[in-house]
Amino acid sequence: QSALTQPRSVSGSPGQSVTISCTGTSSDVGGYNYVSWYQQHPGKAPKLMIYDVSKRPSGVPDRFSGSKSGNTASLTISGLQAEDEADYYCCSYAGSYTFEVFGGGTKLTVL
Amino acid sequence: QVQLQESGPGLVKPSQTLSLTCTVSGGSISSGDYYWSWIRQPPGKGLEWIGYIYYSGSTYYNPSLKSRVTISVDTSKNQFSLKLSSVTAADTAVYYCARGEYLEYFDLWGRGTLVTVSS
Repeated sequence: QSALTQPRSVSGSPGQSVTISCTGTSSDVGGYNYVSWYQQHPGKAPKLMIYDVSKRPSGVPDRFSGSKSGNTASLTISGLQAEDEADYYCCSYAGSYTFEVFGGGTKLTVL
Repeated sequence: QVQLQESGPGLVKPSQTLSLTCTVSGGSISSGDYYWSWIRQPPGKGLEWIGYIYYSGSTYYNPSLKSRVTISVDTSKNQFSLKLSSVTAADTAVYYCARGEYLEYFDLWGRGTLVTVSS
């Protein structure tokens, strides 16, 4: 069982928006602003999409945004495109004993 | 641009030690700007952070694996390595090396290498 809880799957039609949640505790997501999100296409390495809760690395479309409320972080993808279909993982710093924890991953299907 | 490449045996016998190396090209591990990590993904499952190392040799490990893991760095070869002892079938996974900011994120990943534990 993963330390962070994500929905197994979400779906949306092209052009729509979807939000993927990532629920932890006050010891990880709620305690630090070190939540990151990764996109992984089949057979490929993960790609950083969001870091420090809501920052986008250079080259990531502004359709991708991140936020946090309490112990739950969220990744929102607006204007869905076919190429957004992938698995998405959240990750959070969890203190100086555990360090880094990942969510179980969410499969995004673009209908 | 900076690239990471994992290398090592694709098959390891149960109870033996898994050894992998990550070679960094296009940039220096010794720059001190980043931490260098190992992350794994069992087939069809999610990601698990194994640990990270700084160029100085400081290491930080996943407590669930700490008793079996050693991560080391060779700045002269611009490489860092993973050793995982007493492996079982549960250690079968794609192993990724990654670069990142301490505590914050992993911004550059290798392609990954599948390691199967089987007799």
